[in-house]
Amino acid sequence: GNSVTQMEGPVTLSEEAFLTINCTYTATGYPSLFWYVQYPGEGLQLLLKATKADDKGSNKGFEATYRKETTSFHLEKGSVQVSDSAVYFCALMNYGGSQGNLIFGKGTKLSVKP
Amino acid sequence: GAGVSQSPSNKVTEKGKDVELRCDPISGHTALYWYRQRLGQGLEFLIYFQGNSAPDKSGLPSDRFSAERTGESVSTLTIQRTQQEDSAVYLCASSLERGPYYGYTFGSGTRLTVV
Repeated sequence: GNSVTQMEGPVTLSEEAFLTINCTYTATGYPSLFWYVQYPGEGLQLLLKATKADDKGSNKGFEATYRKETTSFHLEKGSVQVSDSAVYFCALMNYGGSQGNLIFGKGTKLSVKP
Repeated sequence: GAGVSQSPSNKVTEKGKDVELRCDPISGHTALYWYRQRLGQGLEFLIYFQGNSAPDKSGLPSDRFSAERTGESVSTLTIQRTQQEDSAVYLCASSLERGPYYGYTFGSGTRLTVV
């Protein structure tokens, strides 16, 4: 079946540090991959996505590259800010038939200290 | 409206009672999803509605759970005879259509606590 595994948190970094949150997936076919972010007290928001292999999604300084050979979609940011503190969810969608639902990882909580 | 609205934002109920959760999707969004987020867990898919088509109920955990949606409007998720394991945040999302090319907008959720 389809599943997403992401690194367990919490992750605590100092401001301006480099961020990597690992995400790997298991899926049949060619899924689309997503990162969602949930800021404190808010709903989930789409951060970035990639719909085919080797695509790079980017937004707000975050990047993730769809690596089919390693079935990964790791989230990176070169210099985090306090305002990036949130829970980050990796997700996949295998579109076709009845599979067009988002499947999420467990989430990784990021805390950035000034 | 501008976003997906869910109500109530918090609900505390006694074990065995029925609860009803409401979701107002973005106007014009044909696809609507319900997810459940238990503490320390990822989001679990519950049910999906697309226009007037039969809903995809494959994620509902038991027959105590049901949901309705009339056309492309409001949806309600009903949990009968609540149990403590039903305690979770219930999230609703909507999108223009189903599929990876359409953005999903999530509501802020309903936090359900069964005591």
